Amino acid sequence: GENVEQHPSTLSVQEGDSAVIKCTYSDSASNYFPWYKQELGKGPQLIIDIRSNVGEKKDQRIAVTLNKTAKHFSLHITETQPEDSAVYFCAASSGNTPLVFGKGTRLSVIA
Amino acid sequence: NAGVMQNPRHLVRRRGQEARLRCSPMKGHSHVYWYRQLPEEGLKFMVYLQKENIIDESGMPKERFSAEFPKEGPSILRIQQVVRGDSAAYFCASSPRTSGLADTQYFGPGTRLTVL
Repeated sequence: GENVEQHPSTLSVQEGDSAVIKCTYSDSASNYFPWYKQELGKGPQLIIDIRSNVGEKKDQRIAVTLNKTAKHFSLHITETQPEDSAVYFCAASSGNTPLVFGKGTRLSVIA
Repeated sequence: NAGVMQNPRHLVRRRGQEARLRCSPMKGHSHVYWYRQLPEEGLKFMVYLQKENIIDESGMPKERFSAEFPKEGPSILRIQQVVRGDSAAYFCASSPRTSGLADTQYFGPGTRLTVL
């Protein structure tokens, strides 16, 4: 079955800097890759997703890139703010299989 | 437009008791998914349901766990004879009726189950 690896597990950046979180997946049939942000005591919130027919998607300060050949995708957050501090999860699915999540990255933005 | 609702938000049970977790999907969504999250871990898929049907229960433990999504009312995740290892956060997600498992899923706030 699908296996999703996520790195790093923790990430600290200065306010205003960029943050990059990377995920790899094992199932070449996977075609849907969402990213979720989870704040303490809350449920995961979808922040951006990408499907395999595109290589990049951007929404204001957040972007996701997908390399299907290498089977990895990345989340990029620019101009980080303290409110970006949270745990971020990547996930992958082929459409015929359930979402498989990475173990998460704890992002701390230092003011 | 209300999001996914889950209740209770916190549930404490003693070993051997039953736990019932409820999930109301977003308005217009007919697909419900249940996930379990252990501390410092990602979410693990348990079961995927449509109204009155279990579509995929490949992540559900074979014993003590069951799920339903009746024609009327919320989806229920039921855990019988709870053990300490069942302590976790349980999240429900819902999606509209589009492309099945690759649908965009929206999560509720979760139920945090503690087994004493």
